[in-house]
Amino acid sequence: DTAVSQTPKYLVTQMGNDKSIKCEQNLGHDTMYWYKQDSKKFLKIMFSYNNKELIINETVPNRFSPKSPDKAHLNLHINSLELGDSAVYFCASTQGVTGELFFGEGSRLTVL
Amino acid sequence: DAKTTQPPSMDCAEGRAANLPCNHSTISGNEYVYWYRQIHSQGPQYIIHGLKNNETNEMASLIITEDRKSSTLILPHATLRDTAVYYCIVRVASAGGTSYGKLTFGQGTILTVHP
Repeated sequence: DTAVSQTPKYLVTQMGNDKSIKCEQNLGHDTMYWYKQDSKKFLKIMFSYNNKELIINETVPNRFSPKSPDKAHLNLHINSLELGDSAVYFCASTQGVTGELFFGEGSRLTVL
Repeated sequence: DAKTTQPPSMDCAEGRAANLPCNHSTISGNEYVYWYRQIHSQGPQYIIHGLKNNETNEMASLIITEDRKSSTLILPHATLRDTAVYYCIVRVASAGGTSYGKLTFGQGTILTVHP
């Protein structure tokens, strides 16, 4: 069983489109994250939710909107996609604040 | 969170110990040292963490100097599958505020294990 699963793994789309990436964790964790890894391999946090409540919102364009329908799911919706949004997006989860994050396999987004 | 400095790359022979250093000279008393790794095309993987005592688990050992300004991750018997980017991260392990569980990744060390 995959602990943190993301769909889709690959996504190729045109500029201006709207797309979503879904994340689910079956670990019973209460905190979930979205990280972005750009072409230079820098891994940066975007958002964090704890029990469906947004607790970290880094400086991210408001075209990015996370949604957590329940504490096992954290989805990322991106409006009006731009070339610079091309990256690998990682979902992660943890219980409390241990710092032991469990990451998904990533979703590679390519904007043409 | 305190910044860390790691060598950009290191090599290690298969079967030998890999010792990955990390400098965190501005670490605060309530900050932990975490190590993660990222194998190519996969998500980052937690390895180990510690505050001031040395730690060991099934994956690795973490040696933290007495002044806590640096640490070393030791993979006792490196294999080809240990080839990855290794990240040393320091963070406050406490609830609340905007740092809730947040990990700030640097550039890490690319460890290449060769036959």
